[in-house]
Amino acid sequence: QVQLVQSGPEVKKPGSSVKLSCKTSGGTFRSYAIGWVRQAPGQGLEWVGGVLPIFRSTDYAQRLQGRLTITADEATSTAYMELTSLKPDDTAIYYCGRGLEADHLYTSFDPWGQGTLVTVSS
Amino acid sequence: EVVLTQSPGTLSLTPGARATLSCRASQSIAGRYLAWYQQKPGQAPRLLIYASSTRATGIPDRFSGSGSGTDFTLSISGLEPEDFAVYYCQQFSNSPVIFGGGTKVELK
Repeated sequence: QVQLVQSGPEVKKPGSSVKLSCKTSGGTFRSYAIGWVRQAPGQGLEWVGGVLPIFRSTDYAQRLQGRLTITADEATSTAYMELTSLKPDDTAIYYCGRGLEADHLYTSFDPWGQGTLVTVSS
Repeated sequence: EVVLTQSPGTLSLTPGARATLSCRASQSIAGRYLAWYQQKPGQAPRLLIYASSTRATGIPDRFSGSGSGTDFTLSISGLEPEDFAVYYCQQFSNSPVIFGGGTKVELK
């Protein structure tokens, strides 16, 4: 059974950076995309980006281009999401999800991590 | 960029009722690229339906998905107390991956 466990909550100042982790267990890490989705307080789901380790493919939401880097460490079956130049409207719960279909960067997600709350405030 | 519009925004129903949720795309997408999720307060989303009509592992058969092109539907036959939640559709035919705005199914 595949499980995703995310790192703990973060409180950051505007202009700083945050790096979140998503450790997977069970299943094959490299063949399945890890996607990141965020949810601002009281709002809907917003795709942030994703990585497909086997092809070293990444894609990012256009509005976050230049500030976002998503990586995958096959040795530890862990994906990372780093967001720089943080703004207050980056405050959200950030979820990771495992791709349902092997070898596809764009896919539905199942299962999901428990989420990480990132708060950006001065 | 595809836009997904979900309607209604809120659905007020009683247990045992049938829920019909709509997800309309701004351009045609292949059914295999359409999924539905359920999210309860304080929880991560859960995959319900993928490829527009295939139930994910462990999802009860009261949940069903249908549709093609630009119009997709999630139906819940006989609402159980645990089904009151927010539901999202998702398209991933191309970049960017897009989620609809959600439909809240609430207790009437």
